[in-house]
Amino acid sequence: NAGVTQTPKFRVLKTGQSMTLLCAQDMNHEYMYWYRQDPGMGLRLIHYSVGEGTTAKGEVPDGYNVSRLKKQNFLLGLESAAPSQTSVYFCASSTGGVSYEQYFGPGTRLTVT
Amino acid sequence: AQRVTQPEKLLSVFKGAPVELKCNYSYSGSPELFWYVQYSRQRLQLLLRHISRESIKGFTADLNKGETSFHLKKPFAQEEDSAMYYCALLTGGGNKLTFGTGTQLKVEL
Repeated sequence: NAGVTQTPKFRVLKTGQSMTLLCAQDMNHEYMYWYRQDPGMGLRLIHYSVGEGTTAKGEVPDGYNVSRLKKQNFLLGLESAAPSQTSVYFCASSTGGVSYEQYFGPGTRLTVT
Repeated sequence: AQRVTQPEKLLSVFKGAPVELKCNYSYSGSPELFWYVQYSRQRLQLLLRHISRESIKGFTADLNKGETSFHLKKPFAQEEDSAMYYCALLTGGGNKLTFGTGTQLKVEL
């Protein structure tokens, strides 16, 4: 099992460009999450999903959109990238049961110039 | 509002010395707390959770509701313990986690 995978690993965007980050998991997990990690700020939740076809806002949702059309995939979109969105993005998944453990992907390093 | 505070950005200890990584939380409900670890070039992974009351890699953490703390401890630090450690609080529906800002542990020889 690959666990949680993220595509791409690195990306450089110019201000105003758009892109989509793909997260895939092969563990049949119900819940999926997108975080951003910034120096001195820890991980902050952007959006999450508790099942196929559902999404919800996290702590820092502005400037991002998400979709969960298939249970195994969770997409994070940036419609018009800004330098403030330069960050490392992590996807995670969990069963949704009482174990609560989240399994993380390797991260995507995004730079917006 | 829920909050997790890790006051130390960097903690440097010598090999064999005791380690204590501090974590304080603010939460109105019954807290469920975790420690996650990120080793160099590896993914973030769960280290331990307070409900299981287990010791992982020699680390333990006790929930102190009176002091609203969940400090991570290890009696003798090893070089392989060098990593970034995050304290996290389970917050509401969707099994969401609120993370602290993290503490970089450096174990020196």
